[in-house]
Amino acid sequence: KNQVEQSPQSLIILEGKNCTLQCNYTVSPFSNLRWYKQDTGRGPVSLTIMTFSENTKSNGRYTATLDADTKQSSLHITASQLSDSASYICVVSAKTGGFKTIFGAGTRLFVKA
Amino acid sequence: NAGVTQTPKFQVLKTGQSMTLQCAQDMNHNSMYWYRQDPGMGLRLIYYSASEGTTDKGEVPNGYNVSRLNKREFSLRLESAAPSQTSVYFCASTLGVDTQYFGPGTRLTVL
Repeated sequence: KNQVEQSPQSLIILEGKNCTLQCNYTVSPFSNLRWYKQDTGRGPVSLTIMTFSENTKSNGRYTATLDADTKQSSLHITASQLSDSASYICVVSAKTGGFKTIFGAGTRLFVKA
Repeated sequence: NAGVTQTPKFQVLKTGQSMTLQCAQDMNHNSMYWYRQDPGMGLRLIYYSASEGTTDKGEVPNGYNVSRLNKREFSLRLESAAPSQTSVYFCASTLGVDTQYFGPGTRLTVL
């Protein structure tokens, strides 16, 4: 069964600290993996997208990694800011004849001053 | 360039009532999607439209219908709302198989 599991469910960190969010997936055959940021009451916004051949991709203070062999990805946030408080969603797409994209339930990040 | 817009932002319905959620994009994207987001769960695809004139069922299509009115607009209709359809609904669009751009969402409560 195609699944995307994210951990932790929620996380509280102090402003200025780093954190890493995890994503494990069983979606097959793999096409790409995306990380989205969703602020409360808003729609998700894309942070990164990685294909099979990409191991790492950065977007400012956000760095995503992908290990296609172990089917794991992580999102590392450096020097967190209060505005990083949001849900972070891992999304994996499969190569199929139709459309198959599986969303993780997200990690809720709280950055405290 | 407004991106993806949705109306209404909030709606309360009684069981059995019908309504249509509107979505429009101004990015000339071919594909459009409707998702629902429930607490503790990932977004689930209701219907999608790969191009103007085509629509396909997603993971949870029961109780919904869609219309791809033109390239810009993709509406979602609830014919007879049920409490299980209480959710936040998101519309999204893409040019191809690239990043999806999401609207701000419609928060629907069915009593």
